Amino acid sequence: EAEVAQSPRYKITEKSQAVAFWCDPISGHATLYWYRQILGQGPELLVQFQDESVVDDSQLPKDRFSAERLKGVDSTLKIQPAELGDSAMYLCASSLAGGLAGGLVPYNEQFFGPGTRLTVL
Amino acid sequence: GENVEQHPSTLSVQEGDSAVIKCTYSDSASNYFPWYKQELGKGPQLIIDIRSNVGEKKDQRIAVTLNKTAKHFSLHITETQPEDSAVYFCAASIGSYIPTFGRGTSLIVHP
Repeated sequence: EAEVAQSPRYKITEKSQAVAFWCDPISGHATLYWYRQILGQGPELLVQFQDESVVDDSQLPKDRFSAERLKGVDSTLKIQPAELGDSAMYLCASSLAGGLAGGLVPYNEQFFGPGTRLTVL
Repeated sequence: GENVEQHPSTLSVQEGDSAVIKCTYSDSASNYFPWYKQELGKGPQLIIDIRSNVGEKKDQRIAVTLNKTAKHFSLHITETQPEDSAVYFCAASIGSYIPTFGRGTSLIVHP
């Protein structure tokens, strides 16, 4: 069964350092999402891509966070510099189509990767 | 925007008992309601979903019900097993738009 891949699974860094997370969505999924999940809460959207274009990054702290999906397949999320409050689980998800651009499918069935647990010391 | 409330935040049951998790949503236009199970250290896994054109859906020991008039939907797990222990999230979305997630319910099944 196809799965969303993420790496690394765990990352420990010191504040002010740079970190990067990688995601490979399910093959053929045009839409890719990065979520942040704080312990005890549900996932919160950071950024959504439709192919290589950003559809929604309104919740992305752009002073320190950046995301790219250059070829419309895999994606990288970067934090520079990391702060203590960035400690969280970073989840990547993909779907056939969805979001503001509408889609070929009527429902946004998302599939999540295993996540990257970030600890900032 | 959409607001999803989920209760309870923690649910403790004995093995074999049933568990019910309830969610309410605010936007009457929402028409897709997935449920995710998240085990410790893993990403959420879709376990069942329901669309607004049906009132109930069942898959083995899990079922979901939807009351569009009251704007609430529930997850029912029967004959709970220790491996059902996890955090469960409900979500609501309008068509292909981004879902709004509840805050999660930590289900603990005691052997």
